[in-house]
Amino acid sequence: EAQVTQNPRYLITVTGKKLTVTCSQNMNHEYMSWYRQDPGLGLRQIYYSMNVEVTDKGDVPEGYKVSRKEKRNFPLILESPSPNQTSLYFCASSLSRQGVWETQYFGPGTRLLVL
Amino acid sequence: RKEVEQDPGPFNVPEGATVAFNCTYSNSASQSFFWYRQDCRKEPKLLMSVYSSGNEDGRFTAQLNRASQYISLLIRDSKLSDSATYLCVVTPKITNSNSGYALNFGKGTSLLVTP
Repeated sequence: EAQVTQNPRYLITVTGKKLTVTCSQNMNHEYMSWYRQDPGLGLRQIYYSMNVEVTDKGDVPEGYKVSRKEKRNFPLILESPSPNQTSLYFCASSLSRQGVWETQYFGPGTRLLVL
Repeated sequence: RKEVEQDPGPFNVPEGATVAFNCTYSNSASQSFFWYRQDCRKEPKLLMSVYSSGNEDGRFTAQLNRASQYISLLIRDSKLSDSATYLCVVTPKITNSNSGYALNFGKGTSLLVTP
């Protein structure tokens, strides 16, 4: 089954304790992306990756890191989480075909609470 | 000016009504356009791609107006199950560059269909 998986789905942590949210897709998509969603602010892109070893900042990259060592995985790293990073996080992937972006497939989301 | 703008609503309509949402975008070079549906606390899922010629899928019709830079979604004969948030997505043109591919989401339009 084609899918994007994220882990963990729910996480409660404390300020300053490094954490990683994993994202994996099995569709051989080049493009992967991380978003956070907050009430009233909609989906905001954190980082995206065009392909292995190619990453770029989105709208709200501060406080986050990513890596793309393999095509299927795109982990999101919070080196020193703060309460303002409490949010719902989505990973997504998509394919480009003939110069056009195809549908984005989203993971189920990770709910993060930073105390 | 935000790249993609939507009326946040909420749109409260009775069952059976026809409702229309618009979404405007600022980048005239945008390439691909989509409508996504998001249920509460769930991941966004593709509802429809939007083509220049317009497209229809059952009760849903999507249209693109490049001259005025907006896309629209029309829902006919609304069902209770149509209650959700509808997100407009606008994607940039793909070039040989490896950067600048942030995908632009609107904040979403909330629809509540009532009995």
